[in-house]
Amino acid sequence: SQQGEEDPQALSIQEGENATMNCSYKTSINNLQWYRQNSGRGLVHLILIRSNEREKHSGRLRVTLDTSKKSSSLLITASRAADTASYFCAPPYGNKLVFGAGTILRVKS
Amino acid sequence: GAGVSQSPRYKVAKRGQDVALRCDPISGHVSLFWYQQALGQGPEFLTYFQNEAQLDKSGLPSDRFFAERPEGSVSTLKIQRTQQEDSAVYLCASSLGTANQPQHFGDGTRLSIL
Repeated sequence: SQQGEEDPQALSIQEGENATMNCSYKTSINNLQWYRQNSGRGLVHLILIRSNEREKHSGRLRVTLDTSKKSSSLLITASRAADTASYFCAPPYGNKLVFGAGTILRVKS
Repeated sequence: GAGVSQSPRYKVAKRGQDVALRCDPISGHVSLFWYQQALGQGPEFLTYFQNEAQLDKSGLPSDRFFAERPEGSVSTLKIQRTQQEDSAVYLCASSLGTANQPQHFGDGTRLSIL
C-alpha cells in the first residue's frame, strides 16, 4: 500500500535540541503532508510539500522531499516542550491520505 | 465554529448496541473524511464524501458501518451491533478539496464497547 512509514518510532530529546523524523513511501506522489497530534486531540496540519519542491520551511520546521528515494524528512529546530507529540507523514493515495504509525517525539525540559 | 466539531467526545456502549457519531465540518469545506484510530497507531481511512456524495467507502470494515452526509455539511457515522473491536477513536476531517489539500481534523470521538 501507499502508507507512509515514519522513522524512528520514538525520539526523546532535550529542549533546545533539533529533532529529525523520516518518512518513506512506495508510489509516486504529487505532494506529501506532515501532521502533528497531541495526546487526546485531532491531527493538525503542519506543512505540505509538492513533488517539484525539494525543501520547504515554516517557522522552526524544515521539510525535505527526495522523490527519487521516495523519502521525506521533518526537522524541528530548537525544540520546545510543547513540541511533544506524535508526528505523521501522509502521502496521498487517490482521494485519501494514508498515515503510518507515526513518530512519538518527547521533548524534555 | 472555526474548526471541525465532533460529538460526543466520549461514548460508552454495550456490545450489540448501535451508536451514531456526528461531525460538523468547517463551513464551505467540500470534502469530508472519516478515520478510525487505534491506540498507538495512525488514523486509518474509512470513507470520503464530496459534498453529499460518498465517493469512497473502501475503508469501512464491515457492513455494520454506515456513513451519510445528506445535505453536504454535517455527517454521521453509524455503527450497528457494535463489537469490542470497534473500540477506537473516530476522527473526522474536512478540506476544501481532495487529499491533495490540507485536512482539518476534529478532536475525535473515543468509542468504548463493553
